[in-house]
Amino acid sequence: DAKTTQPNSMESNEEEPVHLPCNHSTISGTDYIHWYRQLPSQGPEYVIHGLTSNVNNRMASLAIAEDRKSSTLILHRATLRDAAVYYCILITNTGNQFYFGTGTSLTVIP
Amino acid sequence: EPEVTQTPSHQVTQMGQEVILRCVPISNHLYFYWYRQILGQKVEFLVSFYNNEISEKSEIFDDQFSVERPDGSNFTLKIRSTKLEDSAMYFCASTGQTGPGTEAFFGQGTRLTVV
Repeated sequence: DAKTTQPNSMESNEEEPVHLPCNHSTISGTDYIHWYRQLPSQGPEYVIHGLTSNVNNRMASLAIAEDRKSSTLILHRATLRDAAVYYCILITNTGNQFYFGTGTSLTVIP
Repeated sequence: EPEVTQTPSHQVTQMGQEVILRCVPISNHLYFYWYRQILGQKVEFLVSFYNNEISEKSEIFDDQFSVERPDGSNFTLKIRSTKLEDSAMYFCASTGQTGPGTEAFFGQGTRLTVV
């Protein structure tokens, strides 16, 4: 399974932007970068994914480094409902099962 | 918004008993998955299923586990003889297509407690 490294935990103040980093130095050229989050007592929820270019959607933005060895999930204005564990996952083209790491536990401070 | 539905939300069973966890994937999806999460640990892949066959399975998915799509809407995970260590949250997921650029939809999970 493709390896990603994330900080165990981060804190953010409510209504401020949050930048969640992920390192994936062994990424291959065809691996997609996916982000999912897991709110307390819920199933994982899709946030965003990308291959090479930066991506935006209604939930977040994904900034991918030029060498693709790292990426950053950006929540533009953190709310209390964004408190969750955020997982950065590499999906290979040989299968689409997800290998979840330990993720980053985001605490949002009111 | 379409969603994956799992029942029951919580199942308590005695060790050695059979248990069936049920999932209704998103209606036009073709690829189905089961994951589990032991309390305080990572989400782990169990099995993927397509065209009425297992596509991939992890080493966790041993002979005591089986999956089935008994009709056009349900996708089930059966554990034949439950053990204490099977206690976990079990998540069903579905995707509309295969490939690394596909978004997966997860259900809310079934909490299985084996006593």
